[in-house]
Amino acid sequence: SAVISQKPSRDICQRGTSLTIQCQVDSQVTMMFWYRQQPGQSLTLIATANQGSEATYESGFVIDKFPISRPNLTFSTLTVSNMSPEDSSIYLCSGKGNYGYTFGSGTRLTVV
Amino acid sequence: AQTVTQSQPEMSVQEAETVTLSCTYDTSENNYYLFWYKQPPSRQMILVIRQEAYKQQNATENRFSVNFQKAAKSFSLKISDSQLGDTAMYFCAFMKPASYNNNDMRFGAGTRLTVKP
Repeated sequence: SAVISQKPSRDICQRGTSLTIQCQVDSQVTMMFWYRQQPGQSLTLIATANQGSEATYESGFVIDKFPISRPNLTFSTLTVSNMSPEDSSIYLCSGKGNYGYTFGSGTRLTVV
Repeated sequence: AQTVTQSQPEMSVQEAETVTLSCTYDTSENNYYLFWYKQPPSRQMILVIRQEAYKQQNATENRFSVNFQKAAKSFSLKISDSQLGDTAMYFCAFMKPASYNNNDMRFGAGTRLTVKP
């Protein structure tokens, strides 16, 4: 299965600033996704990262707050914009293969 | 829509003993995949085991095995000879096959497993 490198692994950010998270896949995946995970909770899908076009967002998530890029099949970024303490969470990227999903190692974001 | 239910928010087990984590799901599909993922404090989601619904034989990976009951829509995970490194959140997940155009992975709420020395 694919291996996904995600960075940064953690960051502490000031409110009102933005953070960009990157994911690099070592092989092609059919789709890439971004999830948010509150501590002790399950994963919530933010959006599907579409190659060369606008991402598809789930209810409750908007492009202005979480702009996503996917310039090619193996790379994607998620930006958390104009951060507030409520954005403190773990963010995970994922790649979909034929037989399941592979995940990045996650980014723990703390907004102060 | 598919749903995945993990009814045990937390469990604990003594080192070297056996523990079983429960998972049930709801679907009208006949063909699908089921997964158990492990998420240790490092946050990495690690695939533990995968089961194809069309296979009657239960999947096994070393100390990890599943009890797949298709008619009952049950997919439990058994961990034998528990080790301290098994301490983690465990997520049960369901996926429809061959649907390349959408996100079709559904996760349960997770079970926090603690292995005690």
